[in-house]
Amino acid sequence: KNQVEQSPQSLIILEGKNCTLQCNYTVSPFSNLRWYKQDTGRGPVSLTIMTFSENTKSNGRYTATLDADTKQSSLHITASQLSDSASYICVVSGDQTGANNLFFGTGTRLTVIP
Amino acid sequence: NAGVTQTPKFRVLKTGQSMTLLCAQDMNHEYMYWYRQDPGMGLRLIHYSVGEGTTAKGEVPDGYNVSRLKKQNFLLGLESAAPSQTSVYFCASRNYGQGQGPQHFGDGTRLSIL
Repeated sequence: KNQVEQSPQSLIILEGKNCTLQCNYTVSPFSNLRWYKQDTGRGPVSLTIMTFSENTKSNGRYTATLDADTKQSSLHITASQLSDSASYICVVSGDQTGANNLFFGTGTRLTVIP
Repeated sequence: NAGVTQTPKFRVLKTGQSMTLLCAQDMNHEYMYWYRQDPGMGLRLIHYSVGEGTTAKGEVPDGYNVSRLKKQNFLLGLESAAPSQTSVYFCASRNYGQGQGPQHFGDGTRLSIL
């Protein structure tokens, strides 16, 4: 069964600290993995995409990693800011084509406190 | 550039009433989607469309109908609202081909069924 599991469900950190969010998937075949950020009351916005051949990719203070062998991805946030408070959703694309090929994790709710 | 626009933003209905949620995108995307987001369950696909005049069922289609008469619009209808349909509804669009770009989400419609 194609599944995407994220951990932890929620996380509270102090401003300025680093954190790492995890995403494990069993989706096969695999095309790519995206991390989305969803601010409260808003729709999700894409942060980064990882394809099979990529191990790491950065977007400012966000760094995503992918281990396609173990089917694990992580999103590392450096020097957190209050604006990083949001839900982070991992989405795995199951193949190269097709509209209905996306598998969603349930998200990690991150709260950054001053 | 507005992206994906959802109307209305909030609505309260009584059980048995009907309503239509409107989604409009100005990016000329082929694929459009309707999701519902409930606490602890993540985003679940209701219906989707791969182009004007075509629709297909997703994971949780019961109680909903959709139409895509124009490429830029995707309508979600509730014929007889039930309390179980209380949720936040998100519309998304995506281009096809070219490496499967990210989904672009609207900011949601918060629907309460009393």
